[in-house]
Amino acid sequence: GQQLNQSPQSMFIQEGEDVSMNCTSSSIFNTWLWYKQDPGEGPVLLIALYKAGELTSNGRLTAQFGITRKDSFLNISASIPSDVGIYFCAGFPSNAGKSTFGDGTTLTVKP
Amino acid sequence: GAVVSQHPSWVICKSGTSVKIECRSLDFQATTMFWYRQFPKQSLMLMATSNEGSKATYEQGVEKDKFLINHASLTLSTLTVTSAHPEDSSFYICSARDFLRGGSYNSPLHFGNGTRLTVT
Repeated sequence: GQQLNQSPQSMFIQEGEDVSMNCTSSSIFNTWLWYKQDPGEGPVLLIALYKAGELTSNGRLTAQFGITRKDSFLNISASIPSDVGIYFCAGFPSNAGKSTFGDGTTLTVKP
Repeated sequence: GAVVSQHPSWVICKSGTSVKIECRSLDFQATTMFWYRQFPKQSLMLMATSNEGSKATYEQGVEKDKFLINHASLTLSTLTVTSAHPEDSSFYICSARDFLRGGSYNSPLHFGNGTRLTVT
């Protein structure tokens, strides 16, 4: 089945710094989703992308749907301590297809 | 909108007993719900797709007699871990897609808050 390669696996940054993470796949996806998961809770949707080349922002978060439809990135600007958590990308390969999740990027923000 | 409620948040049970976990869509109807299992510091692993009014579809390697899924209404799916053993201890999460609001099979998944199962 489809696999998503998410990187980096973890990041340790200083408060105020910008963050960038990405997901790549050998297969084409129709939808890319980015989620954040806090410890002991379910993932919360951050951004949904539906078109190749689409660039969407949600506050300090910006995500892009790669033009090849095989990748996506998520940027967080001016990080704050509450940005700490695990960020997952997820992709839908086709209509009615099951989603595939990346392995997650664990973000630690030092005050 | 698009709230998914999962209950209980955590449960501790003895080996050999069965545990039922509920997943409800609170403000939308979900013909399909998904059940995942997540180990510490790992990604979500899809266990099965729960279909309202029909049998669930299980992923390869997931025992359907071990993990019973019932989707009796458009707002409720249940996962029962039968004859639980310590190796079944994990974080179980459900998700659902709001087809009506999203309009397609590519509509985002909305997740419950998960259930931490500990089998002693």
